[in-house]
Amino acid sequence: QVQLVQSGAEMKKPGASVKVSCNVSGRTFTSNFYVHWVRKAPGQGLEWMGIINPADGSTTYAPRVRVRITMTRDTSTNAVYMELSSLRSDDTAVYYCAGCDGYICSDWGQGTLVTVSS
Amino acid sequence: EIVLTQSPGTLSLSPGERATLSCRASQSIGSTYLAWYQQKPGQAPRLLVYGASRRAPGIPDRFSGSGSRTDFTLTISRLEPEDSAVYYCHQYGSSPPYAFGQGTKLEIK
Repeated sequence: QVQLVQSGAEMKKPGASVKVSCNVSGRTFTSNFYVHWVRKAPGQGLEWMGIINPADGSTTYAPRVRVRITMTRDTSTNAVYMELSSLRSDDTAVYYCAGCDGYICSDWGQGTLVTVSS
Repeated sequence: EIVLTQSPGTLSLSPGERATLSCRASQSIGSTYLAWYQQKPGQAPRLLVYGASRRAPGIPDRFSGSGSRTDFTLTISRLEPEDSAVYYCHQYGSSPPYAFGQGTKLEIK
């Protein structure tokens, strides 16, 4: 059974950076496994932020956050990371990682609340 | 960039009725790349349908997906109170960015 466990809630000031981890168990980082990052801001819908192929580290980012986001992975610990820089108040959201077997994204992390406030 | 437009924005129905949720893409996408999710407050999204019409494991057969190219539909038959949620369509794999629709809020009266 695949499980994705995310790091805990974060509170950051505007302009700071945040790094959220997503630990994957029950699945190896093979070529057919991908991890998306998605966020849900208060009162808003789901926003796709990007995708990483943990097998080779290749990434694709959403245009809106492309210059501020970095996704990485650590194959030794089966973890993926999402770092967002130059935080603004409208980055306040719950951030989710989702594990996808090909095009089937049935395993999600529990979510990480990131609050950006001065 | 492919934009997904969902309608209606809100749907209010009674238990036992049928809900029909629409997702329209701004350009043609392969059926393989269209999924539907259910999200309840405080919970992670739950995959309902992938490949436009394939139910995810453990999803009741009351949920069904259909459609192709630019028009997709999620149908929920025999509505139950626990079906109250926001439903999102998502295109993944046709071409990035892999956007979500804006969501349809389903209320069970």
